[in-house]
Amino acid sequence: VQLVESGGALVKPGGSLRLSCASSGFTVSGASMSWVRQAPGKGLEWVGRVGSKTFGGATDYAASARGRFSISRDDSENKVYLQMNSLNTEDTAVYYCFTGVPQGGFWGQGTLVTVSS
Amino acid sequence: EVVLTQSPDTLSLSPGERATLSCRASQSVSGNSLAWHQQKPGQAPRLLIYGASSRATGIPDRFSGSGSGTDFTLTISRLEPEDFAVYYCQQYGSSIFFGGGTKVEIK
Repeated sequence: VQLVESGGALVKPGGSLRLSCASSGFTVSGASMSWVRQAPGKGLEWVGRVGSKTFGGATDYAASARGRFSISRDDSENKVYLQMNSLNTEDTAVYYCFTGVPQGGFWGQGTLVTVSS
Repeated sequence: EVVLTQSPDTLSLSPGERATLSCRASQSVSGNSLAWHQQKPGQAPRLLIYGASSRATGIPDRFSGSGSGTDFTLTISRLEPEDFAVYYCQQYGSSIFFGGGTKVEIK
């Protein structure tokens, strides 16, 4: 199993960014897929997830992400996305793709998002 | 919202010693859906324990998890040099939360 995140960049406050998570050896449609972030020098914070195809692909989010972030999945590409809008400096972090514990608990290597003017 | 409180913040031990890390939940964790992850500097986390006490694939048996309800423990029976890292507990299932982490450092 390999999860590879991409799309991290330097973005100005108020800007938007879309992160991607490409999976190999693991079918994302069959799993609940999460995004987890880690601010510099801080702990892990769950951002949100998209449910498996079996459960209709429902999404839910942490309070800090609700209304600004959106998670989606492309089953044909075997990818998961995190669309982030209205970014602020507190969103600066490494963002990890994570399969969820029941699905094996696999982590990607992360992608860095820096929000700064 | 479930709050997971890990203690201590930092544990200073020598190789070969036993490490005992605590994770306390603000409300009962249903189905013992409690996991432990290890993170080394500059690396992604790695799943160690799930279901409170089951080791993930490839995890050495010096790592063990125990507990139920609101109190959980990760024990490393004899610390190896590669075990010095930060450890996070996590509730999964209907909701997902992480604890603040415990750093195990070399004394």
